[in-house]
Amino acid sequence: EVQLVQSGAEVKKPGESLKISCKTSGYNFIDYWIGWVRQMPGKGLEYMGIIFPGDSTTKYNPSFQGQVTISVDKSISTVYLQWRSLKASDTAIYYCARRASAEYWGQGTLVTVSS
Amino acid sequence: EIVMTQSPATLSVSPGERATLSCRASQSVSNNLAWHQQKPGQAPRLLIYGASTRATGVPARFSGSGSGTEFTLTISSLQSEDFAIYYCQQYNDWYTFGQGTKLEI
Repeated sequence: EVQLVQSGAEVKKPGESLKISCKTSGYNFIDYWIGWVRQMPGKGLEYMGIIFPGDSTTKYNPSFQGQVTISVDKSISTVYLQWRSLKASDTAIYYCARRASAEYWGQGTLVTVSS
Repeated sequence: EIVMTQSPATLSVSPGERATLSCRASQSVSNNLAWHQQKPGQAPRLLIYGASTRATGVPARFSGSGSGTEFTLTISSLQSEDFAIYYCQQYNDWYTFGQGTKLEI
């Protein structure tokens, strides 16, 4: 069974750094792209970026380029989403999803950024 | 960026009725179109990919059609568990979602 299990909710202050994770199982990790999708409070879905674990090729939505970093650890079948300096506007639920068509979704990680 | 426009924003229907949701792309996305369902407090779930192929485990009452710029999701006989928000998503040129259609009683 394909599973994407994300790390737990985070509460951070503006300017702090953060790295959230998406641990996958049930398939050959290196064969499928994994992306990150943002959902701001009460809003729709935005695809932030996507990575191919086989060779770490990464593509970013221009709106998120330079704001976040997507990375992978093949040894533990896990993909990460990282911020160097959080802003209040980063408050959202972040989902990981397999492939461009988002055929499988993680359960979501709520990130709250507040002073 | 390809803009996806869904209509209507809200659709009020009764259980047992048929629901038709529309999605329009600002330029052709071929058949690289998915539909996702999201219930309150839950992650989205893929229903349809390739414009018309049901994902694993999706009931047959859900069907998708269209290609190019015009797409439709049809739910043939609404069940109580179908009341949710539905998003279309193109994955032909980068990946963008529509703003969603809320299906309500």
